[in-house]
Amino acid sequence: GAGVSQSPSNKVTEKGKDVELRCDPISGHTALYWYRQSLGQGLEFLIYFQGNSAPDKSGLPSDRFSAERTGGSVSTLTIQRTQQEDSAVYLCASSFRRDTKQFFGPGTRLTVL
Amino acid sequence: GESVGLHLPTLSVQEGDNSIINCAYSNSASDYFIWYKQESGKGPQFIIDIRSNMDKRQGQRVTVLLNKTVKHLSLQIAATQPGDSAVYFCAETPTGANSKLTFGKGITLSVRP
Repeated sequence: GAGVSQSPSNKVTEKGKDVELRCDPISGHTALYWYRQSLGQGLEFLIYFQGNSAPDKSGLPSDRFSAERTGGSVSTLTIQRTQQEDSAVYLCASSFRRDTKQFFGPGTRLTVL
Repeated sequence: GESVGLHLPTLSVQEGDNSIINCAYSNSASDYFIWYKQESGKGPQFIIDIRSNMDKRQGQRVTVLLNKTVKHLSLQIAATQPGDSAVYFCAETPTGANSKLTFGKGITLSVRP
């Protein structure tokens, strides 16, 4: 079946602009996660959605970052007033439920000039 | 703070040899562990997982060992192939929480022909 998909695959933006990154999880997966991977670094947790529960936003680095998940499926990560330090690969993952293995999408490479 | 770390940044092995990748974790509450493989330009790919009620689990050519006493996790790859060349991450989570994964920085496995 189809895996996790993300769009766009690459995004180049200018400092100060807003960007939206999209994630389509695996159908039927109730849990959705966003992570950030900076160059040569491990993955950093950003936000987690589980069903209709309130999301866990504890990993968001600043109030410029926000995310939503509509209809329990597609999720959008929004970064407002982008800064150069926001440049990274943003990865989305989904799992059948919260304590099962997470499957990752290919990521969106964000470059802020 | 809590962290998951890898002992070596790079590992070079001869094709056909066995590979062992080690990982230490510090969160004693962690009870679910996963190994991921990440190839250049792609998202992490699930390899194998293990829960804390086990100390060994085998997959196809891969084995994960868990030593809870010393908080150590290892991934063994039998008969390493060129296609195994990638960055490997260990990740952990306490399943009582939201299951957000804490990742190590990654180790590069390079297979010599």
